[in-house]
Amino acid sequence: AQKVTQAQTEISVVEKEDVTLDCVYETRDTTYYLFWYKQPPSGELVFLIRRNSFDEQNEISGRYSWNFQKSTSSFNFTITASQVVDSAVYFCALSGNDYKLSFGAGTTVTVRA
Amino acid sequence: GAVVSQHPSRVICKSGTSVKIECRSLDFQATTMFWYRQFPKQSLMLMATSNEGSKATYEQGVEKDKFLINHASLTLSTLTVTSAHPEDSSFYICSARPTGAYEQYFGPGTRLTVT
Repeated sequence: AQKVTQAQTEISVVEKEDVTLDCVYETRDTTYYLFWYKQPPSGELVFLIRRNSFDEQNEISGRYSWNFQKSTSSFNFTITASQVVDSAVYFCALSGNDYKLSFGAGTTVTVRA
Repeated sequence: GAVVSQHPSRVICKSGTSVKIECRSLDFQATTMFWYRQFPKQSLMLMATSNEGSKATYEQGVEKDKFLINHASLTLSTLTVTSAHPEDSSFYICSARPTGAYEQYFGPGTRLTVT
């Protein structure tokens, strides 16, 4: 069985602060994929990143960065210099070879001006 | 590219009636589509996997006779909530996987309210 844990339910920060969202996963698959999605109030899921289990390189995309550590089964996400538009629910997700996505509970990020 | 639409975006129906939700991949063919349900302030839960031309595979605890899924073409899957009840009120989201690809692309969701 696959499981994704996002221990932080809510995070509130002031604009320009950095925010790190934790994600810990469990899987028995040797090949798997990790994802982060953003869900703004409109409800539509926005894809942010996909990482496969063989690629542990960290990635940076603008103000977003991801830290994948297989040794601790973690795939953490950092927003640098947060902005009000970053306010949303962020989901970490995991899939194996069957393409089925298992989502974490989500972390609600509120960025205050 | 890779746009998925859902129709309707919102629907209100009376208890006991059936509601059909469509999920279309607009610019690609999708062998596989997925249906998720999301209750307020909760995560997305996979309901079923829909494969073109074959029967859907339902996740444990999802009533297949209540949530009818049809994937009649490579660009269209439908979810019919039969004899809807207030507890079926939820946000239903579909995703589509292009043939031969790993990515899933999500539709904008359908908010169902059963009164």
